[in-house]
Amino acid sequence: DAGVTQSPTHLIKTRGQQVTLRCSPKSGHDTVSWYQQALGQGPQFIFQYYEEEERQRGNFPDRFSGHQFPNYSSELNVNALLLGDSALYLCASSFQPYSNQPQHFGDGTRLSIL
Amino acid sequence: DAKTTQPPSMDCAEGRAANLPCNHSTISGNEYVYWYRQIHSQGPQYIIHGLKNNETNEMASLIITEDRKSSTLILPHATLRDTAVYYCIVRPPTTSGTYKYIFGTGTRLKVLA
Repeated sequence: DAGVTQSPTHLIKTRGQQVTLRCSPKSGHDTVSWYQQALGQGPQFIFQYYEEEERQRGNFPDRFSGHQFPNYSSELNVNALLLGDSALYLCASSFQPYSNQPQHFGDGTRLSIL
Repeated sequence: DAKTTQPPSMDCAEGRAANLPCNHSTISGNEYVYWYRQIHSQGPQYIIHGLKNNETNEMASLIITEDRKSSTLILPHATLRDTAVYYCIVRPPTTSGTYKYIFGTGTRLKVLA
């Protein structure tokens, strides 16, 4: 039973570029949430997707956008990259956004901006 | 705007029980308490969650006080592999009725040989 998988594991970009991160949820899960984790900090919620729609968004600018596909996988896109976007980006999946079942996290994509 | 308070760090001797406290004094009646841990360079790993009754699974036990304002995660026999940052999360509902996690800074547990 595969857990949450994310790709790529590491990525290096320069300021102003655009990046796309990918996430495949755990089998049986239909909801995907994205988090940003800066060094030494706890993860910060970016947004959540369910039924291919953004259901909730954290305090992140419009440069951060996402998409969910019919197979429940998801992408996180970040435009006009800034040095401050360097972080570990985590994807978490769960069964329906309204339930109390826990989210399961992938091991993240480490994004470095030069 | 984390809703939980945890000590920043704790040490525990290998083989002893590790008791990690969490304060969530503003918790409301239908909010669950979740515990995760994060080992360096990995994603958070789910440990356990509960509403008001004590819970136990193969990893840990969760003790929630009767007034639900605090809880304790217990690792009964800590090993070196339990060294990690432990997060206690109270998951508030959002305006759309969905749930999101608000992480604090967690407790850095170091298990000593």
